[in-house]
Amino acid sequence: EAAVTQSPRNKVAVTGGKVTLSCNQTNNHNNMYWYRQDTGHGLRLIHYSYGAGSTEKGDIPDGYKASRPSQENFSLILELATPSQTSVYFCASGGGQYEQYFGPGTRLTVL
Amino acid sequence: TQTVSQSDAHVTVFEGDSVELRCNYSYGGSIYLSWYIQHHGHGLQFLLKYYSGNPVVQGVNGFEAEFSKSDSSFHLRKASVHWSDSAVYFCAVSARNSNNRIFFGDGTQLVVKP
Repeated sequence: EAAVTQSPRNKVAVTGGKVTLSCNQTNNHNNMYWYRQDTGHGLRLIHYSYGAGSTEKGDIPDGYKASRPSQENFSLILELATPSQTSVYFCASGGGQYEQYFGPGTRLTVL
Repeated sequence: TQTVSQSDAHVTVFEGDSVELRCNYSYGGSIYLSWYIQHHGHGLQFLLKYYSGNPVVQGVNGFEAEFSKSDSSFHLRKASVHWSDSAVYFCAVSARNSNNRIFFGDGTQLVVKP
C-alpha cells in the first residue's frame, strides 16, 4: 500500500529558529507536495516537486524553502520561524491527475 | 485557474440517513474531479474520481458521486450513513494543464449522530 511518512509528528519551535519538516514516500511517485492546513483556509499549497532536484513554488511559498534530494524525500524548511507559521503541515505524493497520497501530518507550534 | 466551491461547511445527520455533500467547480476545459476524506487527526485519503464516461462513479464504503457538466457540479452521496463516516470531505479538481496540481475545496465537516 502507498505510504507517506512525516517527521516529526509534533514540533514546538521558537520564533526565529530554523525548522525542518521531513517527508518520505515509498510509492515511487515523481510528484511531491507540501500543504498547510488552517481552520478557515482548507489546504494551501506551499511548494511542490516534479522529481529529485526540482522544487516549485506553490500558492504561499513566502517564508518557506523546499528540498528534494531524492525521489523518496522532500523536506520543508522554515529558516526563520514565525508564530504565523503555526499550523498542521501535510506532505503528499502523487503520480498523476487524480490521486495524491497524504502523510499523517505534522503539527507545528511556533512560540 | 480551477476553483472548487463546497457550499456547506458543516452537515449534521443521523445514522441511517442519506446525505449529499455539494461541490461546484469552475473550469471550462477537461478536468479531473475527485473526493477525499479526512478523519480527525489524519491526512486526506482518496475516495473516488471522475474524468469521463458514466457520470455516476462509485467509491469505497458505499459513497458515490455524480458529475453534471450543465451544473458544474460533482456532488457526493451516500444512501445510509454510519457514525464512522463522520469526517471532513474535500472535493478536488485538476486539469490537464495544471502540471498535476490538485485544487481542493475548503471541505465539508460531516457529523453523523447515533
